[in-house]
Amino acid sequence: NAGVMQNPRHLVRRRGQEARLRCSPMKGHSHVYWYRQLPEEGLKFMVYLQKENIIDESGMPKERFSAEFPKEGPSILRIQQVVRGDSAAYFCASSPLRQGTDTQYFGPGTRLTVL
Amino acid sequence: AQKITQTQPGMFVQEKEAVTLDCTYDTSDQSYGLFWYKQPSSGEMIFLIYQGSYDEQNATEGRYSLNFQKARKSANLVISASQLGDSAMYFCAMREGGGATNKLIFGTGTLLAVQP
Repeated sequence: NAGVMQNPRHLVRRRGQEARLRCSPMKGHSHVYWYRQLPEEGLKFMVYLQKENIIDESGMPKERFSAEFPKEGPSILRIQQVVRGDSAAYFCASSPLRQGTDTQYFGPGTRLTVL
Repeated sequence: AQKITQTQPGMFVQEKEAVTLDCTYDTSDQSYGLFWYKQPSSGEMIFLIYQGSYDEQNATEGRYSLNFQKARKSANLVISASQLGDSAMYFCAMREGGGATNKLIFGTGTLLAVQP
């Protein structure tokens, strides 16, 4: 059973470009979470999605960042007009259920570098 | 507001010895979950162990055990018989109970170095 897949693993963008990060949850998981890890820090929650629905986006910056989880295909975290401060590791996690002991399993992360 | 505190930025332990990584939390929820994740130098986040707030027994998973002291709001990770491969960053995290969200709140981590 494949784990959470993220691609690309490394992404380099120039300031002002767009970054698209993809996440395929584990088989059977319908809940996806995105977290950001700045250098030397712990992970910070960004957004929680189910298929075609955003459940909680309280951790998303108000501008330039968006996320989706379509009926078919991976979840996408999109960052428009990237700035140097967006450089970080972006982790996706998935879980099968919202309630109970639903452990979140993480993907390998995408390391975004903004030049 | 919910908060996770890991007061040990770094720890050393001799191979084959046990080590305890500290974690305290703050929440007003009655229902919550506590997790430990390992992040090796390769960068991935590996789930280690889970403890529910209503679980009466301390969680164990192989060489990992969670010393859950609810009254003190602590959830320390104990690694027995340390191995060189245990050298990594360790994060404690809490999931808020009830409500619409299932987000995890992470501590700042403890870097563990296992010495031969």
